[in-house]
Amino acid sequence: GDSVTQMEGPVTLSEEAFLTINCTYTATGYPSLFWYVQYPGEGLQLLLKATKADDKGSNKGFEATYRKETTSFHLEKGSVQVSDSAVYFCALKTTPGNKLTFGGGTRVLVKP
Amino acid sequence: DGGITQSPKYLFRKEGQNVTLSCEQNLNHDAMYWYRQDPGQGLRLIYYSQIVNDFQKGDIAEGYSVSREKKESFPLTVTSAQKNPTAFYLCASSTGQGQETQYFGPGTRLLVL
Repeated sequence: GDSVTQMEGPVTLSEEAFLTINCTYTATGYPSLFWYVQYPGEGLQLLLKATKADDKGSNKGFEATYRKETTSFHLEKGSVQVSDSAVYFCALKTTPGNKLTFGGGTRVLVKP
Repeated sequence: DGGITQSPKYLFRKEGQNVTLSCEQNLNHDAMYWYRQDPGQGLRLIYYSQIVNDFQKGDIAEGYSVSREKKESFPLTVTSAQKNPTAFYLCASSTGQGQETQYFGPGTRLLVL
């Protein structure tokens, strides 16, 4: 079945450091890939997405490229801020059906 | 503003009690979903509904029940058969067409007394 593997956290960084969160997946067919972010005590917000190979999703300084050859969708940000402290979830969705399969989440803590 | 609302924010359940979590959306979305999140873990799908009066079990449906009588509403009941109900419950919705995005509500935290 479909699955998503993320690097385990927590990831602790200083402000303005470079952030990478690795995400790899296993899926039948051609999935769409997503990154969601969860701030403390809140629901999930869509951060970015990519629907086909070589697409790059970007939002709020975050980027991720859909790499079919390595089945990966790594999240990157060049200069993190304290406000980026959150849990980040990688997810995939295949058709038919609308089910999202999530990775376990990676907690990121940015210190001033 | 369009969005998804969940209530209550915190819910306490006694032994042997059924409790119902509310989820309402005004996005005119056809599809709605319920997920469970345990500490330090990802989300697991409980139930989903792609159209009014129809729903399907997800990966962990045992001990839960749902209804979808209106397009806007998808309540989740945690029954007494769910022996480990303490978790964060998230509702989501989507247009239900193709590779669309799911939008999430703020969540309900269920605690057992």
